[in-house]
Formats: sequence, C-alpha cells, structure tokens
Amino acid sequence: GEDVEQSLFLSVREGDSSVINCTYTDSSSTYLYWYKQEPGAGLQLLTYIFSNMDMKQDQRLTVLLNKKDKHLSLRIADTQTGDSAIYFCAEMREGTYKYIFGTGTRLKVLA
Amino acid sequence: NAGVTQTPKFQVLKTGQSMTLQCAQDMNHNSMYWYRQDPGMGLRLIYYSASEGTTDKGEVPNGYNVSRLNKREFSLRLESAAPSQTSVYFCASSKRGASDTQYFGPGTRLTVL
Repeated sequence: GEDVEQSLFLSVREGDSSVINCTYTDSSSTYLYWYKQEPGAGLQLLTYIFSNMDMKQDQRLTVLLNKKDKHLSLRIADTQTGDSAIYFCAEMREGTYKYIFGTGTRLKVLA
Repeated sequence: NAGVTQTPKFQVLKTGQSMTLQCAQDMNHNSMYWYRQDPGMGLRLIYYSASEGTTDKGEVPNGYNVSRLNKREFSLRLESAAPSQTSVYFCASSKRGASDTQYFGPGTRLTVL
C-alpha cells in the first residue's frame, strides 16, 4: 500500500527531547521530508534527507533514516513551547511529482 | 518574495454552488500542486501542473477542475460544491517538478453546507 504511518500524538515537557517517528513504504523514495504545521497555517518545510544518507543534523533537529526498516525519525532537542504543532513526514517517489504524506503527529509541549 | 499565496483564506458555500480557489507563486517555479487536508488523512493530491500548459490528475481529482493560467498562477475550481468537499485546500509549488521540494501556501478553509 501507499500508507505513510505516524503516531497521532506526542506530549513532552519543555526542555526535553522529542522524537517523532514515521514509517514509509517505498524503497525507491528518493527524498524524505519533515514539515511543520502550526494552527491555522500552511506547511513549513523543516528539513529533508536524501535516501542515500542515514543522518542529517540541522541545529536542534536531527533526522535519522533506517532504509532497511523504512523508518524515519525527527528528533527535536531542547523542545520549546513554540515547537507545539503538527509534524508531517512525506516521501517523494523517484521520478514523480507525488508526495505521499503521513497523517501527521500532533506535538504538545508542556511548560 | 511572498512565496505561495492563496485566496480566499476562508469560504462558505451552499451545496451546488461553484467557486474558484486562486493560487500564485513568485518564485519562478515550474510545477504547481493542489492538495486537500482532512482530519486524520494527511494531505492528498488533487491535481498538479508539471509545467505551464500541462495539468494532470492526482489522487482525488473527482469534482474538481484546474487551470494553469500562466507560470505564476494555478487555480482550482469546484463546479458544483458538495459537503464532502469541506476541507482545507493547500497550493504548493516546486522549482523543477519531479523529485523536488515543494513549498506550500497558507491554505483556504472551505465549508460546504
């Protein structure tokens, strides 16, 4: 199937690390993305990783890719209340225009 | 650069009414997309335009039409709105098209009564 799976909710305390997980389906996917959606807003690109990489770090964000298990994760270090949002992973199939989005994980940061 | 802009931000229609959602990008991108977002379902592709002058169906095209007016603008039309089309609609664009990062507009929240 084409499902990209994410858990629906995650709650963390301010200052802790958050880890949002995603399982995708297609081993031919070339790019994997993380988007952030704040309430009432569009999707903001956070970061992406090429499928030939296994890790990418960008300031507080770390993306890990396990291609064998088709598992992608986003770690947010020192999570802040401003990080509260819905986080979507998406895979891009090689040679296509098509993103397959996960259902989104709602991150709630507790003060 | 404004990026990707969409109008209107909110719209309420009665069943059977028609309307056009507008999208424009100022990044000189070649490809543009329309998605709908429904609770618990992520985003689903309605139509896309790989380049000026071309359009193709996505995952959920029924009940919609699109027009790529020029390189900047890509509109989505609902000819006869149905309650099942109540959703948040997002426009996106990408520079090169296939296998390229997409940038999203702020969305249009549509309610069909």
